[in-house]
Amino acid sequence: GAVVSQHPSRVICKSGTSVKIECRSLDFQATTMFWYRQFPKQSLMLMATSNEGSKATYEQGVEKDKFLINHASLTLSTLTVTSAHPEDSSFYICSASSEGARSYEQYFGPGTRLTVT
Amino acid sequence: AQSVTQLDSHVSVSEGTPVLLRCNYSSSYSPSLFWYVQHPNKGLQLLLKYTSAATLVKGINGFEAEFKKSETSFHLTKPSAHMSDAAEYFCVVSGKNTGFQKLVFGTGTRLLVSP
Repeated sequence: GAVVSQHPSRVICKSGTSVKIECRSLDFQATTMFWYRQFPKQSLMLMATSNEGSKATYEQGVEKDKFLINHASLTLSTLTVTSAHPEDSSFYICSASSEGARSYEQYFGPGTRLTVT
Repeated sequence: AQSVTQLDSHVSVSEGTPVLLRCNYSSSYSPSLFWYVQHPNKGLQLLLKYTSAATLVKGINGFEAEFKKSETSFHLTKPSAHMSDAAEYFCVVSGKNTGFQKLVFGTGTRLLVSP
């Protein structure tokens, strides 16, 4: 149980275009989803937290107009990187939590590697 | 603010020998602490977690960690390494002052296991 998928696993796009990454909880309802970014050989940095049906809460320094997050259902969240540039190339990982605000456990997706040329 | 420091970026062991991955934390409140493992091109998997219950926590695949408040440490150990243990390991903290769901990751330790 508690499986989270991401699609696509890899994507290459040209500079200036937008790309959408999907995160799905396959066997549970995710009340909260998280989006992380991981640079090569570095740790995960939380970008934003989203609750189903609400606007996402972005971490300091993350441009909300550039990284659009939608959490329209209890099983799906999307991250859209708008007007992508080479510096946006990174490994994007989502996670999902199925319990209340005091829950500590997140289930992670396999990640999406974005390359902007 | 909460933070974790993973003292070693790389740890190399031989198969069958003990594993020790070190982690120190900083937290104003009683923290929740986790160890996650990341295999290449795969998602993170929870190994174990400490949430103010027993200080010695047993996880999956033979791993365990001990919460030591006096040393602000949460080191990960395994008695005997397997080749399949080669991966990246992250020590993670969360807690009351940052919201229980907000995870703060360490920089990771890459475990290399040689035959």
